[in-house]
Amino acid sequence: KQEVTQIPAALSVPEGENLVLNCSFTDSAIYNLQWFRQDPGKGLTSLLLIQSSQREQTSGRLNASLDKSSGRSTLYIAASQPGDSATYLCAVADGATNKLIFGTGTLLAVQP
Amino acid sequence: EPEVTQTPSHQVTQMGQEVILRCVPISNHLYFYWYRQILGQKVEFLVSFYNNEISEKSEIFDDQFSVERPDGSNFTLKIRSTKLEDSAMYFCASRRTSTDTQYFGPGTRLTVL
Repeated sequence: KQEVTQIPAALSVPEGENLVLNCSFTDSAIYNLQWFRQDPGKGLTSLLLIQSSQREQTSGRLNASLDKSSGRSTLYIAASQPGDSATYLCAVADGATNKLIFGTGTLLAVQP
Repeated sequence: EPEVTQTPSHQVTQMGQEVILRCVPISNHLYFYWYRQILGQKVEFLVSFYNNEISEKSEIFDDQFSVERPDGSNFTLKIRSTKLEDSAMYFCASRRTSTDTQYFGPGTRLTVL
């Protein structure tokens, strides 16, 4: 059974710092991996999608990498801003219908 | 930009009552999903729906749950007899192809009293 873990559970950084969020999954037979942002009490905003054949994807200040064989992905955020404060969720597409299996998230606080 | 919409944003119901949560997926999408998130816990998969039938369901999705696509735009989740433990945020999601990005709606917060 696929399990997704995110480390750290919480992170507090000063504004302007670069940071890395980690995601690991137990079964490497995934179709793709998505990173989401969730603000308190709100829905999920898709940030990046990496297909299983890709190594990385970039969008603005965000860069996500995927090492399928080792079951790991990282989300790199450059020059963090207070507006980046949110919970970041990693999810792998798994199974017959590519349903998403989510991690528990990393709660990020960027201090002004 | 097209988006997934959900109504209502918040539903309060008494235990044992039936509720219907509604979703309008993005118009050219073919794959539809329901997930739920109990407060403080992971987002969990409930069910996937394609070509007018359930394609996969989780252990959570028991006989009290059902889904329907009654017309070309709506996708509904029905809980027949709600329990206290059904209190959660319910998210609808859709994707255009089987490996595309899944887009999520803003969620319906269900509170069962």
